[in-house]
Amino acid sequence: EAGVAQSPRYKIIEKRQSVAFWCNPISGHATLYWYQQILGQGPKLLIQFQNNGVVDDSQLPKDRFSAERLKGVDSTLKIQPAKLEDSAVYLCASSSGTGGETEAFFGQGTRLTVV
Amino acid sequence: KQEVTQIPAALSVPEGENLVLNCSFTDSAIYNLQWFRQDPGKGLTSLLLIQSSQREQTSGRLNASLDKSSGRSTLYIAASQPGDSATYLCAVPNTDKLIFGTGTRLQVFP
Repeated sequence: EAGVAQSPRYKIIEKRQSVAFWCNPISGHATLYWYQQILGQGPKLLIQFQNNGVVDDSQLPKDRFSAERLKGVDSTLKIQPAKLEDSAVYLCASSSGTGGETEAFFGQGTRLTVV
Repeated sequence: KQEVTQIPAALSVPEGENLVLNCSFTDSAIYNLQWFRQDPGKGLTSLLLIQSSQREQTSGRLNASLDKSSGRSTLYIAASQPGDSATYLCAVPNTDKLIFGTGTRLQVFP
């Protein structure tokens, strides 16, 4: 079965510019996550969708970050305007269940550098 | 609040050694625990998932154990190889999201 697909793999932008990341989860997986991983740290959840509804976005900086999941499948994460501290790897993951009881599968990530 | 800690933060060993990576968590009420591998600049690859009812899981040269009561898990890597060099992360679910440790950066040299 195909894994979680993310694009682009790398992105370099100047501060105050905008950027968007795309994620296609494993087919049939109801739950989709976006994590942010700053260098040297473990990933931290930004937002979680179940189908096309938001379950948890408590850690999402909503003044600059937004995310949507169209038709309960693909998802996009946008940053506008970007700050230097947004430099990180953005990871998308999906799982078939909810409540954390099922295995999560991660994509290859998008490495964002803000200069 | 669930917190996950991994020690050591970094480990450098010669090829062929058996090694143990440690993960501890503060809230023992977990569904499962997952071990991941991350190569530099890449995403996470799931290695092993241990359900709360299990005590260990094995995949090839990897063996993960779970002791819920003490809030600990270990990842045992047998006969390490240079290709095992990567960062190893453990994670536990907290309601619907995964809480990660900061990882153990492993280097296996020939």
